[in-house]
Amino acid sequence: AQSVTQLGSHVSVSEGALVLLRCNYSSSVPPYLFWYVQYPNQGLQLLLKYTSAATLVKGINGFEAEFKKSETSFHLTKPSAHMSDAAEYFCAVSDRPTSGSRLTFGEGTQLTVNP
Amino acid sequence: KAGVTQTPRYLIKTRGQQVTLSCSPISGHRSVSWYQQTPGQGLQFLFEYFSETQRNKGNFPGRFSGRQFSNSRSEMNVSTLELGDSALYLCASSLVAHSYNEQFFGPGTRLTVL
Repeated sequence: AQSVTQLGSHVSVSEGALVLLRCNYSSSVPPYLFWYVQYPNQGLQLLLKYTSAATLVKGINGFEAEFKKSETSFHLTKPSAHMSDAAEYFCAVSDRPTSGSRLTFGEGTQLTVNP
Repeated sequence: KAGVTQTPRYLIKTRGQQVTLSCSPISGHRSVSWYQQTPGQGLQFLFEYFSETQRNKGNFPGRFSGRQFSNSRSEMNVSTLELGDSALYLCASSLVAHSYNEQFFGPGTRLTVL
């Protein structure tokens, strides 16, 4: 069964600093990978997804992630943090070619941005 | 285009009661998935429906059930509520039931069991 591990339940950065949120996956087949963001009292919003078209994936709000098969990683980065980036971030995996949209989520990383 | 809507947004029940949560997917989306979010267990998959059929089911007891109607709207039901059922229940819709599909999440229903 697939699984996702997010290293660091809390990450704190200064405004303007690099954001790096780590995600490692375990899957028996090449996976589809997703990063979602959740703001307080809201549902999840998709930031980006990897479906094997390109290893470097660009998403919304300046975020990007790189799929590294050798490291089984899909870390999320943003060059310059903004106060509005403060939220909880979830990495998720979906096995393929399994039918169905079932996602397995990591534990989440709470990002704090300090002024 | 309207997003995924969930009703009610907040719900308070007592142990032993049952509850029904509703989810209206984005227009044209035929797949609806449900997730439970708790501080201790995180986000866990409950089940997925596509064209009124349950396609996948997570590891939850039979007290948790769901269904999907012909207009793709979905409901989930929890019977004999337990304190541990307190959680944010999230509904997500996608065009079809495939693993590469982006899922669009609703704001969730916050269930508190007293």
